[in-house]
Amino acid sequence: EPEVTQTPSHQVTQMGQEVILRCVPISNHLYFYWYRQILGQKVEFLVSFYNNEISEKSEIFDDQFSVERPDGSNFTLKIRSTKLEDSAMYFCASRTTRGSEKLFFGSGTQLSVL
Amino acid sequence: GDSVTQMEGPVTLSEEAFLTINCTYTATGYPSLFWYVQYPGEGLQLLLKATKADDKGSNKGFEATYRKETTSFHLEKGSVQVSDSAVYFCALSFGNEKLTFGTGTRLTIIP
Repeated sequence: EPEVTQTPSHQVTQMGQEVILRCVPISNHLYFYWYRQILGQKVEFLVSFYNNEISEKSEIFDDQFSVERPDGSNFTLKIRSTKLEDSAMYFCASRTTRGSEKLFFGSGTQLSVL
Repeated sequence: GDSVTQMEGPVTLSEEAFLTINCTYTATGYPSLFWYVQYPGEGLQLLLKATKADDKGSNKGFEATYRKETTSFHLEKGSVQVSDSAVYFCALSFGNEKLTFGTGTRLTIIP
């Protein structure tokens, strides 16, 4: 079965540094998402992206966050100036159409901010 | 807002035991309900779903019934296997848009 690929699997950074989390969605998918899970808490929606623009974002997704699909295959999440509380597992997901129930998730990037 | 509450983990069972993982939800309206599973080192995968009241989702021996009256979607399996060891997430959505998840329940099956 096709897969969503996320790199790196683990990222360690210093507070205040910029990080970019990378995802390669499944090739014919059109809708892209980022979710995150802080240890011991719920998986939270961050942002959805379609047709090269954000279609919905949560309150968590403030000015420190941005997403981009730079080259038609990658989908990136950038955190401009990381904070301790950004430490979490970040999941990328994609689906073919808006109405498709099947959402494919990557295996996640564990971000640790020191 | 919408929310999902699921059984605290971790859960440890012996092989062939009966499994129940509780999930209840709070939502305005009637969402679709899902169970996702995450095996070690892999992404979340859709395990089963139900889109309306009294629907039963089933897959790989797992079942869950959409109970509107109790706002619940409990996951059950009659006889678990070691290969079922994973983290299980209950979730809801409206119109296949963003998912609202619970915290996840880690299940470990011992031989």
